[in-house]
Amino acid sequence: GESVGLHLPTLSVQEGDNSIINCAYSNSASDYFIWYKQESGKGPQFIIDIRSNMDKRQGQRVTVLLNKTVKHLSLQIAATQPGDSAVYFCAEKWPDSWGKFQFGAGTQVVVTP
Amino acid sequence: NAGVTQTPKFQVLKTGQSMTLQCAQDMNHEYMSWYRQDPGMGLRLIHYSVGAGITDQGEVPNGYNVSRSTTEDFPLRLLSAAPSQTSVYFCASASASGTYEQYFGPGTRLTVT
Repeated sequence: GESVGLHLPTLSVQEGDNSIINCAYSNSASDYFIWYKQESGKGPQFIIDIRSNMDKRQGQRVTVLLNKTVKHLSLQIAATQPGDSAVYFCAEKWPDSWGKFQFGAGTQVVVTP
Repeated sequence: NAGVTQTPKFQVLKTGQSMTLQCAQDMNHEYMSWYRQDPGMGLRLIHYSVGAGITDQGEVPNGYNVSRSTTEDFPLRLLSAAPSQTSVYFCASASASGTYEQYFGPGTRLTVT
């Protein structure tokens, strides 16, 4: 999920396969991370979060992995469905700040039948 | 609950005009924020507020003013619009208790000519 300017990285996934979306975050002291999903023409929607004292968290069909050593976050979506087609963003919370989040550029996920 | 509402949905301004983007939430959330989203990029934080009467600058505050006189409302003012402010603007709110999950509004698409 690295920024490439105007063109988002795209992940094409076949329906039913698992998806893995990656994100590199910038601040080694960030203490909280969120994954958001944004469908076309809508605001971002919360998917799952993880605190920096964890390395894995599971939700319904989604798993977030955190590797603090290399400042890397990933979102795994199991059995990807057409409704999962969207742009996915990771966001990191700056330490000692209640409300300051920095968002990644996003990854476009396209689910093909 | 209506959640987070934003008005207008679309707006076209001429360079130098001023306007206010409205944001309201009915969830009694303490935290509110404004982001802008440009093509192929993630959201960038403009201003945020951790409660009525308290605001702070985000990553890209220049050219924008905010105030928070009530818990419910958090308007964003463009003092003298510039073409560089052409963007989609999202307002978000979050509860100060529990997670930092932000609820986003539907966005305002602003074009400055």
